[in-house]
Amino acid sequence: GAVVSQHPSRVICKSGTSVKIECRSLDFQATTMFWYRQFPKKSLMLMATSNEGSKATYEQGVEKDKFLINHASLTLSTLTVTSAHPEDSSFYICSASDSAITYEQYFGPGTRLTVT
Amino acid sequence: GQQLNQSPQSMFIQEGEDVSMNCTSSSIFNTWLWYKQDPGEGPVLLIALYKAGELTSNGRLTAQFGITRKDSFLNISASIPSDVGIYFCAGQSSGAGSYQLTFGKGTKLSVIP
Repeated sequence: GAVVSQHPSRVICKSGTSVKIECRSLDFQATTMFWYRQFPKKSLMLMATSNEGSKATYEQGVEKDKFLINHASLTLSTLTVTSAHPEDSSFYICSASDSAITYEQYFGPGTRLTVT
Repeated sequence: GQQLNQSPQSMFIQEGEDVSMNCTSSSIFNTWLWYKQDPGEGPVLLIALYKAGELTSNGRLTAQFGITRKDSFLNISASIPSDVGIYFCAGQSSGAGSYQLTFGKGTKLSVIP
């Protein structure tokens, strides 16, 4: 099956610093990648959709200048949390889809971000 | 926006019992997906449904795409301890470039050995 990796799996950073999370599709080309945020015991909340080579589309209420998304290749997307604050602490999950073949989304293992 | 109602919210069952959970929507979806999420992990795709009325199995799991395209159910037969986790339904609607998923709130399954 399709495999998606995320790095790092856990990260702790200080308030005011920036953190980059990578999402890679390992065995397929991901024309579209999605970034989600999940709070404890809650469902996944879509933050943004990115297509390779174009600007990401952000969901309402998600600050694009705070959550920078880059989808530079068909196998890599990055999410950078800029000037992180404790309220940005969360579980961030990416998913990838080869929309030319199927609409199925395959999820990465997630990144636990803790901002102190 | 679209909303999915997933039930039950949680369930405790005895090992060996069958399990059923469902999702309903106020809107039509063209695709229904069922995922399982373990603590601290990303969701794993279990079953994907593409046609109204479709019934699909994956081992002990069976899922159906409702005829009205507004609902889906997932059954797990003969549950085992490793079935523990949170199950999410997700609907996907049509539209140019519209691949976004709308997720249910999840069903937390606990299996008592």
